[in-house]
Amino acid sequence: RKEVEQDPGPFNVPEGATVAFNCTYSNSASQSFFWYRQDCRKEPKLLMSVYSSGNEDGRFTAQLNRASQYISLLIRDSKLSDSATYLCVVIPNTGNQFYFGTGTSLTVIP
Amino acid sequence: DAGVIQSPRHEVTEMGQEVTLRCKPISGHDYLFWYRQTMMRGLELLIYFNNNVPIDDSGMPEDRFSAKMPNASFSTLKIQPSEPRDSAVYFCALAGGGTGELFFGEGSRLTVL
Repeated sequence: RKEVEQDPGPFNVPEGATVAFNCTYSNSASQSFFWYRQDCRKEPKLLMSVYSSGNEDGRFTAQLNRASQYISLLIRDSKLSDSATYLCVVIPNTGNQFYFGTGTSLTVIP
Repeated sequence: DAGVIQSPRHEVTEMGQEVTLRCKPISGHDYLFWYRQTMMRGLELLIYFNNNVPIDDSGMPEDRFSAKMPNASFSTLKIQPSEPRDSAVYFCALAGGGTGELFFGEGSRLTVL
């Protein structure tokens, strides 16, 4: 079983829409969670960390559900510039590996 | 910007040839990771080092792959002999600044014909 499972999409949404991505992880003792963004033909870059109580950064909201072992990313009022691939990342408590989901592709349409 | 420099940025080679990918990390990060990314499999961890010592190489596909980190400023990933299925983007990434963030280089795009 993969460490991290993520719906690859693609998600095609109109500008201004709200879109949400989920990611499940297999190791219940995982300790750290992140969302990364990857633009076409570029390297992944950190978008935001995911805290147990949930956290918000502008139009972006990240949440963690330990009981169900998933993390989510909500994007409100989508912009054209949000078009990218979003990768969830999980760090287990057993080491320093960063396990990536396969990424969810988002295209925001004018 | 962690300043991770990867080379070459693009390489096209023929099956059976040796390929060497290079990573020059800026010092100050204890961990160095090599990842491979393909459309089908996403980002796969190949190997990671802590203070120049290989810690986990379980992600290395097979004996054709090897990685070294002779010092804190240089790491290589070698494929010998290369095969078409090795075609992918190979990323070097750093961690260890205490934030939990992973800093990626721009990647080396490898095509094996």
